Amino acid sequence: DQQVKQNSPSLSVQEGRISILNCDYTNSMFDYFLWYKKYPAEGPTFLISISSIKDKNEDGRFTVFLNKSAKHLSLHIVPSQPGDSAVYFCAASAWNRDDKIIFGKGTRLHILP
Amino acid sequence: EAGVVQSPRYKIIEKKQPVAFWCNPISGHNTLYWYRQNLGQGPELLIRYENEEAVDDSQLPKDRFSAERLKGVDSTLKIQPAELGDSAVYLCASSLPTGNTEAFFGQGTRLTVV
Repeated sequence: DQQVKQNSPSLSVQEGRISILNCDYTNSMFDYFLWYKKYPAEGPTFLISISSIKDKNEDGRFTVFLNKSAKHLSLHIVPSQPGDSAVYFCAASAWNRDDKIIFGKGTRLHILP
Repeated sequence: EAGVVQSPRYKIIEKKQPVAFWCNPISGHNTLYWYRQNLGQGPELLIRYENEEAVDDSQLPKDRFSAERLKGVDSTLKIQPAELGDSAVYLCASSLPTGNTEAFFGQGTRLTVV
């Protein structure tokens, strides 16, 4: 049973446009959500996070939105750049339960020239 | 500051052979994780340590996998004997002991069992 779901295996976006990556979760105990970026042959790199007490967190070109009622979060990248081409993993944890980080399967983002 | 260091980067072994992976976490990070990532999947937790104590090893296949974190710093993950299905990338990560914090990953060890 997947607790963190990324239903789009891949996404292609024109350079300069907005990239929107989506993530759904099933465990209502999750209270901390993270996005990681992964290049080939490298480990995942932390990108941005959001606590369940917030509905938006912004860091430069990256914004994460959280909709707790829908158990949905999204990562917006604007403007998209060629170096953003990578696999993006959504992850979640429940600090007051067991604190382990559960990952989705990832979405491969292609930024087109 | 050095990140999480893993070795080796790549390992090819024959099935039924033993293999070990090593991880040095970020200094001051009491929490250490071992994840396994299969092709096309996200990382899946194998074991989590708080200092030298394994606090969550429910996903570790204990018949062939073992891990240790002596002195609460470096950690090793061992597979004995390896099976074809163990081919994957093994990722080590570390984080601060407080809750709601991100984990930092090493580059991983890509294991191929032939």
